[in-house]
Amino acid sequence: DIVMTQSPDSLAVSLGERATINCKSSQSVLYSSNNKNYLAWYQQKPGQPPKLLIYWASTRESGVPDRFSGSGSGTDFTLTISSLQAEDVAVYYCQQYYSTLLITFGQGTRLEIK
Amino acid sequence: EVQLVESGGGLVQPGGSLRLSCSASGFTFSSYAMHWVRQAPGKGLEYVSAISSNGGSTYYADSVKGRFTISRDNSKNTLYLQMSSLRAEDTAVYYCVKLVNSWGKGTTVTVSS
Repeated sequence: DIVMTQSPDSLAVSLGERATINCKSSQSVLYSSNNKNYLAWYQQKPGQPPKLLIYWASTRESGVPDRFSGSGSGTDFTLTISSLQAEDVAVYYCQQYYSTLLITFGQGTRLEIK
Repeated sequence: EVQLVESGGGLVQPGGSLRLSCSASGFTFSSYAMHWVRQAPGKGLEYVSAISSNGGSTYYADSVKGRFTISRDNSKNTLYLQMSSLRAEDTAVYYCVKLVNSWGKGTTVTVSS
């Protein structure tokens, strides 16, 4: 199984400041035949299912504010919120879908306002 | 619009059984692999099981292997999860998922005496 490890486990950032969450996979999730990284980022708020933010490691889902961006390739990935808003308080998860039937998630990063 | 609606959750005693269903609409169900993901209270997301588009391949997390069975009926656009020998640690919200952007609202399973 591909193990996904996020850092940090929790993060407190001031409003308007940058938030950065890292995700590392135990093996590459870059599929060489199409040069795509099978990596997604989700946001989850209490009582709600996860919401897709980013897929293919850096493609923003329709309707997601452009302050959210994803980067990285292979085994190391980053989710960046360029200017933190109050509504961004949530838990964030990375997920690999390289193995189509065996998807795995990071442990989650809790983002709070400082 | 893709819709995934889970049902079948509830309170069950340890050792009991439950069958979850996920009714799908808004896409060609028979063309997609489908997944069950769960979330225990206050915990992170845990992959449970997956099934290929035609049902020919399945996968299970080690924590549920031998106790849970995933299946699908493409004629009814419905995904199932048969859960048996339930344990307290199976208590969670169970989500039906179509990768990568479609999740149901979840159904709650509580295993307790």
